[in-house]
Amino acid sequence: QKEVEQNSGPLSVPEGAIASLNCTYSDRGSQSFFWYRQYSGKSPELIMSIYSNGDKEDGRFTAQLNKASQYVSLLIRDSQPSDSATYLCAVRSRALTFGSGTRLQVQP
Amino acid sequence: DTGVSQDPRHKITKRGQNVTFRCDPISEHNRLYWYRQTLGQGPEFLTYFQNEAQLEKSRLLSDRFSAERPKGSFSTLEIQRTEQGDSAMYLCASSDELNLYGYTFGSGTRLTVV
Repeated sequence: QKEVEQNSGPLSVPEGAIASLNCTYSDRGSQSFFWYRQYSGKSPELIMSIYSNGDKEDGRFTAQLNKASQYVSLLIRDSQPSDSATYLCAVRSRALTFGSGTRLQVQP
Repeated sequence: DTGVSQDPRHKITKRGQNVTFRCDPISEHNRLYWYRQTLGQGPEFLTYFQNEAQLEKSRLLSDRFSAERPKGSFSTLEIQRTEQGDSAMYLCASSDELNLYGYTFGSGTRLTVV
């Protein structure tokens, strides 16, 4: 079992819709969770962090964490074509462990 | 401060040659990380430093790979006797000790071994 699992996609949504990205992790001791966005050929950039169970909102992005289910998700509201990228879930044990990423395509 | 800098951006080398990459972290960050990323995969942890001390190395890091951070500032990653399987993007990241805000990544060094 991989330490951090994500559906590779592509996840295709129409412009203006909500995109829902999911991630599960295996280490119950993990305390910090991050979502990174990576455009093709570029390095990852941090978009959200979450440490406590529940929801955390930042603009059009909402991160959700459920430690009991070992599940993290990212919702992107009012999706734009510029949101088309690979979204990486990362979990901190000692160093960050990344999932393989979910490719999101927002159709104009 | 302009963020995390990596040099070179691209490197093409012949199989069997040695290569060295450099990373300059954000100056206030005392932690520095090296990752490797291949197409369609997430970044894969290689090693990390707190100041000049190398605290952890991945099992994936063969003896051909060595990393240093001699003065706790910039870091180098050397690959000896390169193989085609070493072709990847090598990413450097830095963070403060509490890592409250995640890592900041550099632009990466893309290595192609021919």
